[in-house]
Amino acid sequence: DIQMTQSPSSLSASVGDRVTITCRASQDISNNLAWFQQKPGKAPKSLIYAASSLQSGVPSKFSGSGSGTDFTLTINNLQPEDFATYYCQQYNSYPRTFGQGTKVEIK
Amino acid sequence: EVQLVESGGGLVKPGGSLRLSCVASGFTFSDYSVNWVRQAPGKGLEWVSSISSRSTYIYYADSVKGRFTISRDNAKNSLYLQMNSLRAEDTAVFYCGRAGSTSLNYIDVWGKGTTVTVSS
Repeated sequence: DIQMTQSPSSLSASVGDRVTITCRASQDISNNLAWFQQKPGKAPKSLIYAASSLQSGVPSKFSGSGSGTDFTLTINNLQPEDFATYYCQQYNSYPRTFGQGTKVEIK
Repeated sequence: EVQLVESGGGLVKPGGSLRLSCVASGFTFSDYSVNWVRQAPGKGLEWVSSISSRSTYIYYADSVKGRFTISRDNAKNSLYLQMNSLRAEDTAVFYCGRAGSTSLNYIDVWGKGTTVTVSS
């Protein structure tokens, strides 16, 4: 199975900040990586697929990059509605696996 | 509007069974693979199972293999998860998620989830 490791597990940031979350795969997954946002008590929301392509309707403040084993999610100009937990997931092979999540909190 | 609505969750005793459903609307259900993903209380997301558009390909997480069965009825725009031999560690919110039709498919639409509680 492919292990997905996110870092950090949590971070504190201020409104207006830029934050970067890292996701590392235990083996090469090409660009078969997705990012999701989840707010407390809500279903996940799809943000990015193919490592860097934005889902329809997702603001351009979100961006993804990477290929192979190392990936990043960047959020520019952090706003109150962006405080949430973010997950990466590989869809290169089964079983599909998620990172453990990164909680973005208000400083 | 593209929508997935799960149902069937509830309280069940260890060793019991439950059948979850997910009804799709707003898109051609038979064109897409669909997944079940769960989230235990206070924990992260865990992929459970996937089924391809024509039910040709089915996959399970090791944690549920042999106990859970995924199926779909394209005529009813519906996805199912039959869960048997339930354990306390199966307690979670279960989400269905739409994915693409190719083998390299990713979830782009999620349902709101249904809660399963396994407790005596």
